[in-house]
Amino acid sequence: DAKTTQPNSMESNEEEPVHLPCNHSTISGTDYIHWYRQLPSQGPEYVIHGLTSNVNNRMASLAIAEDRKSSTLILHRATLRDAAVYYCILRSPLGGSNYKLTFGKGTLLTVNP
Amino acid sequence: NAGVTQTPKFRILKIGQSMTLQCTQDMNHNYMYWYRQDPGMGLKLIYYSVGAGITDKGEVPNGYNVSRSTTEDFPLRLELAAPSQTSVYFCASSESSSGNTIYFGEGSWLTVV
Repeated sequence: DAKTTQPNSMESNEEEPVHLPCNHSTISGTDYIHWYRQLPSQGPEYVIHGLTSNVNNRMASLAIAEDRKSSTLILHRATLRDAAVYYCILRSPLGGSNYKLTFGKGTLLTVNP
Repeated sequence: NAGVTQTPKFRILKIGQSMTLQCTQDMNHNYMYWYRQDPGMGLKLIYYSVGAGITDKGEVPNGYNVSRSTTEDFPLRLELAAPSQTSVYFCASSESSSGNTIYFGEGSWLTVV
């Protein structure tokens, strides 16, 4: 599986934007970039995903570099409820075991009031 | 909206005992997964299934067994529990395409003493 690299932790203030980076230099042309987050004592939940173009949804935006070797998850106005571990994951369409998600340690986001 | 349901939520096992973690989903997803998460770590894939009657090993399958007799259910069996199996277990499901969201259950906290 292609690997991703994320900072171990980041800190933000409430109501400020947060940019969570992810490097994936070995990404293949057909890998989707997925972001999930895990709140304390809960299972991971989907945030956003994309292939080549930038994506927006009600939770966040995903900015994908032109060469696709990095991406950034953008939380436009952080709230205390956004404090979580954020995982950047690559998902291959090749079928079989490639449909699984391989998790790293993610980025622990702390939001200060 | 039940989604992915896991039972039990908490369980204490003695060394050498066996138990089954139940997982059911009501979204008619073909793909189902079992992950474990040790404290401070990311999720590791134990087993996965791409459809009824088809299962395969993930990264850490030793000490576990699974079956997939129906689309909805994907139980995880622990045989001869060991302290190393103390962990939080997450079941998940998804559609087949790599562009689709993976939905997680709320987790099962297992302690082996």
